[in-house]
Amino acid sequence: GDSVTQMEGPVTLSEEAFLTINCTYTATGYPSLFWYVQYPGEGLQLLLKATKADDKGSNKGFEATYRKETTSFHLEKGSVQVSDSAVYFCASHISNFGNEKLTFGTGTRLTIIP
Amino acid sequence: GAVVSQHPSRVICKSGTSVKIECRSLDFQATTMFWYRQFPKKSLMLMATSNEGSKATYEQGVEKDKFLINHASLTLSTLTVTSAHPEDSSFYICSARSLGGNYGYTFGSGTRLTVV
Repeated sequence: GDSVTQMEGPVTLSEEAFLTINCTYTATGYPSLFWYVQYPGEGLQLLLKATKADDKGSNKGFEATYRKETTSFHLEKGSVQVSDSAVYFCASHISNFGNEKLTFGTGTRLTIIP
Repeated sequence: GAVVSQHPSRVICKSGTSVKIECRSLDFQATTMFWYRQFPKKSLMLMATSNEGSKATYEQGVEKDKFLINHASLTLSTLTVTSAHPEDSSFYICSARSLGGNYGYTFGSGTRLTVV
């Protein structure tokens, strides 16, 4: 079945460091890919998405490129801030004959220290 | 933008009682709503998918008689945890998908259920 594997955390970085959180997927078709962010005590917020190969999603300085050849959708940010501390989830979405499912990775907790 | 309101945000109940969690789409019509359960330091587990006016589709291993889902209108879905036990304590999150158009999974802010 479909699955999403993402880098296990927790990840701790200093402010202004470069961030990469790896994410790979397996899917029977051609999924859309997402990154969601969850701040403490809150639900999930869509951070960015890409719907087809080679698309790049970007938002708030975060970027991720849909790489079909490596089945990856790694999240990157050039200079992180304390406010980026949260849990990040990679997810894939597939829709087949009216059945749809959003599959999440296990989440990566990111802590940025001043 | 699309907003989903989930209520209550926190609830504590006694073992054996039932608890209802509401999920409302405030500014769009949600043909499909999803209910997830999140375990500590774990990912979200899809419990069930509900379409307005029809029975929910439960994922394997989820007890449909324990987790009752009702999606009576295009803006409201409810999850009722019946005869709750301490092992049902968890963070429950709903998500709503808008009618047609672009992908729009909008998530509620979650409900922290504690059964004592």
